[in-house]
Amino acid sequence: AQSVAQPEDQVNVAEGNPLTVKCTYSVSGNPYLFWYVQYPNRGLQFLLKYITGDNLVKGSYGFEAEFNKSQTSFHLKKPSALVSDSALYFCAVRDIGGSSNTGKLIFGQGTTLQVKP
Amino acid sequence: ETGVTQTPRHLVMGMTNKKSLKCEQHLGHNAMYWYKQSAKKPLELMFVYNFKEQTENNSVPSRFSPECPNSSHLFLHLHTLQPEDSALYLCASSQDREDRGNSPLHFGNGTRLTVT
Repeated sequence: AQSVAQPEDQVNVAEGNPLTVKCTYSVSGNPYLFWYVQYPNRGLQFLLKYITGDNLVKGSYGFEAEFNKSQTSFHLKKPSALVSDSALYFCAVRDIGGSSNTGKLIFGQGTTLQVKP
Repeated sequence: ETGVTQTPRHLVMGMTNKKSLKCEQHLGHNAMYWYKQSAKKPLELMFVYNFKEQTENNSVPSRFSPECPNSSHLFLHLHTLQPEDSALYLCASSQDREDRGNSPLHFGNGTRLTVT
């Protein structure tokens, strides 16, 4: 069965410092991987996705993520955090061609990013 | 403007009331979804519609009843809810069917439901 884990409930970073929000996944086939962000009182917004090709994916608002197949990870990164990046971040995975073959999108529990001035 | 509009933004209802949540997408997408978001829990997929046909009912209690009259509109009819149903209900749409393709979901801003 497919699954996705975000091991940190909260990440605290000082403004201007690099940030990393961790995500690991488990699939039986090939993964499609996504990051979404949720600001207070809003729905989720798509940030970036990995489907195939270059392991480093660039997305909105200066965010990027690196697909690491051997470590089954897809960590979200940004070189220099802004206070306005403070939000709830969700990793999601879709299992393509696996034994379950449902293709369902599974979300992690979310990580709260707090960027302090 | 997200392209997916949900109304109302907030709803307070008693356990004996009947109410409906509305979702409209202006993106020309083919699939629409209802998700439930509760504090400290992962997003729960409730229902999926592909080309107006329901393709997923994720063991949702019958007090929640979806309706998809066309590919742009989605409703969630509520009746005799329980206090534990209080949550943020999110509507989403995507270009591709839920089990195919790599198109991301586009979410509305949600309806904050409180059941008293």
